[in-house]
Amino acid sequence: AQKITQTQPGMFVQEKEAVTLDCTYDTSDPSYGLFWYKQPSSGEMIFLIYQGSYDQQNATEGRYSLNFQKARKSANLVISASQLGDSAMYFCAMRGIDQGGSEKLVFGKGTKLTVNP
Amino acid sequence: ETGVTQTPRHLVMGMTNKKSLKCEQHLGHNAMYWYKQSAKKPLELMFVYNFKEQTENNSVPSRFSPECPNSSHLFLHLHTLQPEDSALYLCASSQESGSPTYEQYFGPGTRLTVT
Repeated sequence: AQKITQTQPGMFVQEKEAVTLDCTYDTSDPSYGLFWYKQPSSGEMIFLIYQGSYDQQNATEGRYSLNFQKARKSANLVISASQLGDSAMYFCAMRGIDQGGSEKLVFGKGTKLTVNP
Repeated sequence: ETGVTQTPRHLVMGMTNKKSLKCEQHLGHNAMYWYKQSAKKPLELMFVYNFKEQTENNSVPSRFSPECPNSSHLFLHLHTLQPEDSALYLCASSQESGSPTYEQYFGPGTRLTVT
């Protein structure tokens, strides 16, 4: 069964500093995708970054980068130069196709990031 | 409008009421999803539609009934709900389902309270 684990219920970071949000996953699917989403207090889930299981390089999108370590089954999100607007819940998610061809989507419990001025 | 929209944004209903949640996507996607987000629990996938066909139903109680009349619209019909069904219901869309590479785009959600 697929599983996403986010071990940090809450994180604090000073404005302009970098922060790493942890995510580990478990799957037996040969092909899968890993995603990070941001959920501000307004409730909308905002897609941040994607990493494919066969991608050789770590994904980057502006200030977001994904530290993908396949052997360790980890997909940590790194936010550089934190801004006050980065304060939100962050969810790690995995998408895969099981042997029966069914799509599986699993989200972690989330990490609440607070950026301090 | 662009992106994924959901209406209403907030809904309070009694256990005997019947209501519907609406989702609309303007991204030209072919797959749409319903999720339930309860307090302190991971996001739970409820239903998946791909090219208007339901492809996943993750053991959701029959008091939740989805409808997908076309690739742009998705409804969640609610009847005889329980207080534990109170949650944020999120709609999402992606280019299509069945591939791990397509990201999902979410709507703002409907905050449902069952009294």
